[in-house]
Amino acid sequence: DAGITQSPRHKVTETGTPVTLRCHQTENHRYMYWYRQDPGHGLRLIHYSYGVKDTDKGEVSDGYSVSRSKTEDFLLTLESATSSQTSVYFCAIRETSGRDTQYFGPGTRLTVL
Amino acid sequence: AQKITQTQPGMFVQEKEAVTLDCTYDTSDPSYGLFWYKQPSSGEMIFLIYQGSYDQQNATEGRYSLNFQKARKSANLVISASQLGDSAMYFCAMRDVIRVAGNQFYFGTGTSLTVIP
Repeated sequence: DAGITQSPRHKVTETGTPVTLRCHQTENHRYMYWYRQDPGHGLRLIHYSYGVKDTDKGEVSDGYSVSRSKTEDFLLTLESATSSQTSVYFCAIRETSGRDTQYFGPGTRLTVL
Repeated sequence: AQKITQTQPGMFVQEKEAVTLDCTYDTSDPSYGLFWYKQPSSGEMIFLIYQGSYDQQNATEGRYSLNFQKARKSANLVISASQLGDSAMYFCAMRDVIRVAGNQFYFGTGTSLTVIP
């Protein structure tokens, strides 16, 4: 258990509304990631962070922004949600000791109507 | 080019039999890591097993083993003595240091495994 929580776990919203998803970790990991999961696409990276206030884009960053003001929290914002952003969103941390692998939060299912 | 390829969208296996899930990867980095994750119907992503590119022996974790063939760039997951609870999506992943769009972790599209009683 890497101590990762995501909130909310489920959300239904309307097109054009802003949405913020929160990822919280308790183990002081430097790297955090936001992915989206869609059928047939596996996991695609949206944004990632390599420290407080240090973020970078992934392969599907259009329409998303992130912020990391504290080590433990990584926020994903959809400025104006669209139906194409209906997806399952996963947060992950990177544990750089040992195996240097990623561990995932439980996911947030977002539906944009 | 795809970094991770999983060519089996769906697989079936009889309970108590062994099954192999295929994964091939593409990297020019000599140092990389290979991973398998399980995603049951409940949706969470569960880390199963890790193989480093310099590891001499195939990784094993309980009933899971990773058949690592470096020259073929394949990292197949073998599940022995399948159980009904093994029914899930399985994702192969790789970490290298070559960044594409800021990323170092790459995931395949997954294989859906169904264990038949």
